[in-house]
Amino acid sequence: AQTVTQSQPEMSVQEAETVTLSCTYDTSESDYYLFWYKQPPSRQMILVIRQEAYKQQNATENRFSVNFQKAAKSFSLKISDSQLGDAAMYFCAYRNPRGYGKLTFGQGTILTVHP
Amino acid sequence: NAGVTQTPKFQVLKTGQSMTLQCAQDMNHNSMYWYRQDPGMGLRLIYYSASEGTTDKGEVPNGYNVSRLNKREFSLRLESAAPSQTSVYFCASSEQGLEAYEQYFGPGTRLTVT
Repeated sequence: AQTVTQSQPEMSVQEAETVTLSCTYDTSESDYYLFWYKQPPSRQMILVIRQEAYKQQNATENRFSVNFQKAAKSFSLKISDSQLGDAAMYFCAYRNPRGYGKLTFGQGTILTVHP
Repeated sequence: NAGVTQTPKFQVLKTGQSMTLQCAQDMNHNSMYWYRQDPGMGLRLIYYSASEGTTDKGEVPNGYNVSRLNKREFSLRLESAAPSQTSVYFCASSEQGLEAYEQYFGPGTRLTVT
């Protein structure tokens, strides 16, 4: 069974600074997908970024980028120029392409942004 | 565009009571999911439905039943609620296939069992 581990229960960053959230996963598959979801205090789950394992290039979405290390099974999220609105719980998630779309989530990291 | 809707948003039950959480999506997705979120444990899959007419167990199915009423609707039933089922419940839907399809989530239901 796949497992996803986020070892940082809480992180903090100053506004306009950069922060990196860590995620590791365990799988025997060679093809899979990885996601970062954001959950603000409203509870709504919002997709931040996705990465296909077959792609060597790291995904980027504006101020959000990932460092995908397939051999190390590591998938970290970098947030540049942090904003107050980035404060939220962040979840890393894994998906097996043949698993009917089911997601396996990490435990989550609470990100605090200080003005 | 409503996306994924869930009712109710909040519910308090006494131990042993039953209730059904309702979920509907208007994106014509084949696949739907129920997750529960507990502190320090992320979201865990309870049941899923890969397509209309099919359902299957996820990681934590005990104490729950589901019904895929039609392509739009996927309900979760607690037959005899227990305090261990106090949690936030999310319904989600997605396309299915060999692409990195996004899962779309409802707003969640906060359930307290006393």
